[in-house]
Amino acid sequence: AQSVTQLDSQVPVFEEAPVELRCNYSSSVSVYLFWYVQYPNQGLQLLLKYLSGSTLVKGINGFEAEFNKSQTSFHLRKPSVHISDTAEYFCAVSEPGGYNKLIFGAGTRLAVHP
Amino acid sequence: DAGVTQSPTHLIKTRGQQVTLRCSPKSGHDTVSWYQQALGQGPQFIFQYYEEEERQRGNFPDRFSGHQFPNYSSELNVNALLLGDSALYLCASTAPGSGRAETQYFGPGTRLLVL
Repeated sequence: AQSVTQLDSQVPVFEEAPVELRCNYSSSVSVYLFWYVQYPNQGLQLLLKYLSGSTLVKGINGFEAEFNKSQTSFHLRKPSVHISDTAEYFCAVSEPGGYNKLIFGAGTRLAVHP
Repeated sequence: DAGVTQSPTHLIKTRGQQVTLRCSPKSGHDTVSWYQQALGQGPQFIFQYYEEEERQRGNFPDRFSGHQFPNYSSELNVNALLLGDSALYLCASTAPGSGRAETQYFGPGTRLLVL
């Protein structure tokens, strides 16, 4: 069975500072990896996804993530955050051939302070 | 182009009642998935509908059922509501594609409170 662990429930950071949100997964098969963002009172929006190929994936809003197979990690990074990045961030996996069923982590609350 | 829409936005029910939530997928999308997001947790997969059939199901009891219509819209029904069913219910739609990693587009959700 697949599972996703987001290592930090909350990450406070000052505006214009870099940030890393950590995600580890467990799976006996190869997986697809995703990061979604959820703004207050809204649904989820895809930031980026890793399917295969280059392990460094660039997404929207200046975010990027690196797939590390040996450490089963897919950490999300941004070199300089803005107040508007304050939101809940979810890491998710799906199994190739599994009809795109997403398994989510518990989420990390990113709070950007001025 | 409208995205995924859900109705109602909020709903209050009492234990034992039944509820129906509705979802209209993004234009051109033919697959609808439903997720339950309890407070402070990540979304959990309930089931997925494709060609008006339930194609895959998560670990939810039979009290949770669904339907997909010929226009690809979908309903989620929950019978005999429990306090623990209180959550945000998210609908996601996916475009037809040859691969299985098509992006899922999420609606804003229906917030259900069971008293």
